[in-house]
Parts: sequence; structure tokens; C-alpha cells
Amino acid sequence: QVQLKESGPRLVKPSETLSLTCTVSGYSISGGDYWAWIRQPPGKGLEWIGSIYHGGITYYNASLTSRLTMSVDTSRNHFSLNLRSVTAADTAVYYCARGDSPDNFDSSGFDHWGLGTLVTVSS
Amino acid sequence: SYELTQPPSVSVSPGQTARITCSADALPRQYAYWYQQKPGQAPVLVIYKDTARPSGIPERFSGSSSGTTVTLTISGVQAEDEADYYCQSGDSGGTSWVFGGGTKLTVL
Repeated sequence: QVQLKESGPRLVKPSETLSLTCTVSGYSISGGDYWAWIRQPPGKGLEWIGSIYHGGITYYNASLTSRLTMSVDTSRNHFSLNLRSVTAADTAVYYCARGDSPDNFDSSGFDHWGLGTLVTVSS
Repeated sequence: SYELTQPPSVSVSPGQTARITCSADALPRQYAYWYQQKPGQAPVLVIYKDTARPSGIPERFSGSSSGTTVTLTISGVQAEDEADYYCQSGDSGGTSWVFGGGTKLTVL
């Protein structure tokens, strides 16, 4: 049973870096899948942040790419998100999920999700 | 930027059929995916590749595609189906995933 769990600080100050880790259990992160971050501001819809392959290939949301870095640690079976220079607009529930790359036209979608973690940007 | 357009809300009575649409120019060339999200919970995939249903999803959930519009159909709606529903697809260039704005399904 694939399980994902997000972890990291729940409160980040404006202009600082938001850092989250998603730990995957019951499944190897080194398989053929991509691993994604998706966020949801309070009361709003879902926004794809980016996706990463265990080999380091990344796809980022164009609106975030200048502030975003994603990485994978296969030895710990987890992947991470760093979002720099955050503002209040980055306050959201952040989800990690298993999926595919956007150029995989045979994708099966985001089929496993973490429970999500609320990150608040405030001084 | 690429957008998927959904109606903000749909209301149906129990036992009726709910249809939620999602429209975008690239949908004739890209598969669509549908997620159900209940309050305080993570989204759950209910339809993938336009029409396929993951294991464990009730048969009353189905998907269809016609031109630039895909549709999630819930037949014999139950109270437990009240939730937000999001469509998702890729942009025409295969560089980004995009979610629709979401549709709130209300069971009257």
C-alpha cells in the first residue's frame, strides 16, 4: 500500500524559504513514476506546483519556476520542495502525490496523495 | 496560460444524475482526470484517461469526452457524493499539469 506523508514547518516568515519533505512508504520512489507537489490555498482550488523523477528530471509550474527547487533522495525514499521568497499568497495546504510527467499522454493521473499539510506564511 | 473551465456549482436531488463539465482547447488531444475532494480531505482520483475508473470507485461514476469538453457523470447521486470535483489535464505542449477551478456538487 503506497502511502505519502508531508512534513516540514507549518509557519514560514515572508521572504523566507518554504521547505517540505514527502516521505513515501510501501513503494520505491526509484520506480517509473513521477512525484508531485500540489497546493490548495484556503477556500480555493488545486494548483500543480511541479513534478520530479527519481533521476532528477523536473517539470515546474511556469508561474513558480523562478522560486522553486524540487529534489529527490532515493536513499531515504523521499522527495522535497523548496519555495523561496514566500509571501502570504503562498499560504496553502501542500499535498504530495504520485503521478506522471506532463508529457506522458498515457498517464494514470495522481493516484496516491498525502493527507496534506497547511503552511502559513506570516510574520 | 492554459485553463480548464468548470461550472462553479451543480445541484441535484438524491437519486438523480449529476453532470459536471470541463472545457479546454487541448482536451481533444489530452486525456482528462477527475478528482473528488470532501472537506478537510485530500483529493481522490475517480476517473482517469477520460473514461477509466480506478479500482474501488463506485460504478455510478463515469466519464466521457466530446471535442473540447469532458464530462463527469454521477448516476443515482447519493448524499455521500456531495463534494468538490476537479478536472485535470496536461497543456498542449506537455510541459504542465493544470487543474480546473473546481465544481461544488450539492445534493439537495
